[in-house]
Amino acid sequence: NAGVTQTPKFRVLKTGQSMTLLCAQDMNHEYMYWYRQDPGMGLRLIHYSVGEGTTAKGEVPDGYNVSRLKKQNFLLGLESAAPSQTSVYFCASRTLGKQFFGPGTRLTVL
Amino acid sequence: AQTVTQSQPEMSVQEAETVTLSCTYDTSESDYYLFWYKQPPSRQMILVIRQEAYKQQNATENRFSVNFQKAAKSFSLKISDSQLGDAAMYFCAYRRGSTDKLIFGTGTRLQVFP
Repeated sequence: NAGVTQTPKFRVLKTGQSMTLLCAQDMNHEYMYWYRQDPGMGLRLIHYSVGEGTTAKGEVPDGYNVSRLKKQNFLLGLESAAPSQTSVYFCASRTLGKQFFGPGTRLTVL
Repeated sequence: AQTVTQSQPEMSVQEAETVTLSCTYDTSESDYYLFWYKQPPSRQMILVIRQEAYKQQNATENRFSVNFQKAAKSFSLKISDSQLGDAAMYFCAYRRGSTDKLIFGTGTRLQVFP
């Protein structure tokens, strides 16, 4: 049981490049989330999903897209990366009120 | 809108001593949950303790306990018998009962000195 995993762990992009972050969970959770964490701030919700095939916007959705084609996977896409998207990205899944977090992805946009 | 405020950017404590981390929140809801998460240098977010707003009894998990003052909208975390492994960032978080979104405070960095 790996819990919540994220791929990749680190990535450096140039402005304008695109990329996809992958989150996978093997706990059969319905709910999944993407957060970003910036220095001096708590985690902020980007997008979330309440089940396969559904997604919804969180607090800071601009510049990101998500997809939940399979229950166990939640993808976060950056179509045209900007320096303001330099951050640490966390994925989480939830059951019974408890959220389980992945180890995070450190993304730097130059 | 709901907000979570942690007014202590940094705290320090001697090993084996007790420390209290503060958190206040603002909400007009009656059904909600409060959480404390620990984030060590590994970046992993670890749930420390959780409190349901409808419960009057303060939650306790081993050396960790909360002081939940609903009227004052205060939710502090007390760590007893502090250990070196307690050193981390601690985040207070709020979740409205009917939705799913966690709202985090800005965190408190706890240092533990031997």
